Amino acid sequence: EDQVTQSPEALRLQEGESSSLNCSYTVSGLRGLFWYRQDPGKGPEFLFTLYSAGEEKEKERLKATLTKKESFLHITAPKPEDSATYLCAVEFQGGSEKLVFGKGTKLTVNP
Amino acid sequence: DSGVTQTPKHLITATGQRVTLRCSPRSGDLSVYWYQQSLDQGLQFLIQYYNGEERAKGNILERFSAQQFPDLHSELNLSSLELGDSALYFCASSHVGGGGNTIYFGEGSWLTVV
Repeated sequence: EDQVTQSPEALRLQEGESSSLNCSYTVSGLRGLFWYRQDPGKGPEFLFTLYSAGEEKEKERLKATLTKKESFLHITAPKPEDSATYLCAVEFQGGSEKLVFGKGTKLTVNP
Repeated sequence: DSGVTQTPKHLITATGQRVTLRCSPRSGDLSVYWYQQSLDQGLQFLIQYYNGEERAKGNILERFSAQQFPDLHSELNLSSLELGDSALYFCASSHVGGGGNTIYFGEGSWLTVV
């Protein structure tokens, strides 16, 4: 069964303390891997799409990377406003464009 | 603002009742998706429509149904509601159904069943 696992479940950082979030997946075929940010009570906000191993995307303090079995979301010098739940989702090959989501990493950045 | 519009934002209803959630996709998007998010389950895919036709089905209960209309807006109908149906229901849309396309989410409809 295709699965998406995120770790850690929760992460507390001090402002300026860089770290990485992990998303691993077991799939029969990957069509795309997506990162979203979700604030409490809000809809997921699109961050990045990665399609092939070796690909990297950057946006402000965030950088997403992809290997054959996992993706990392690197957060450099985070600020309190980066506090949110970060969701990883995978689109598998097989005829549907639905996304399968991991359970997310709740990031808290303390000032 | 993702461009996906959902109504209502909040609703409270009693067990056994029926509700309808409405979604307007982003301009030009042909695919609409419905997801359910509860505290313990995370985001669960319910159903996808593409240009009016059902394209994929996920963990959608038989008490739930959806449709996409010719103007591409979609409705999710939830009937015989139970306490466990309380959740955030998200609609999302993407441009085409060809795969690998970014899916944009609305702000959700928060359903509370009492």
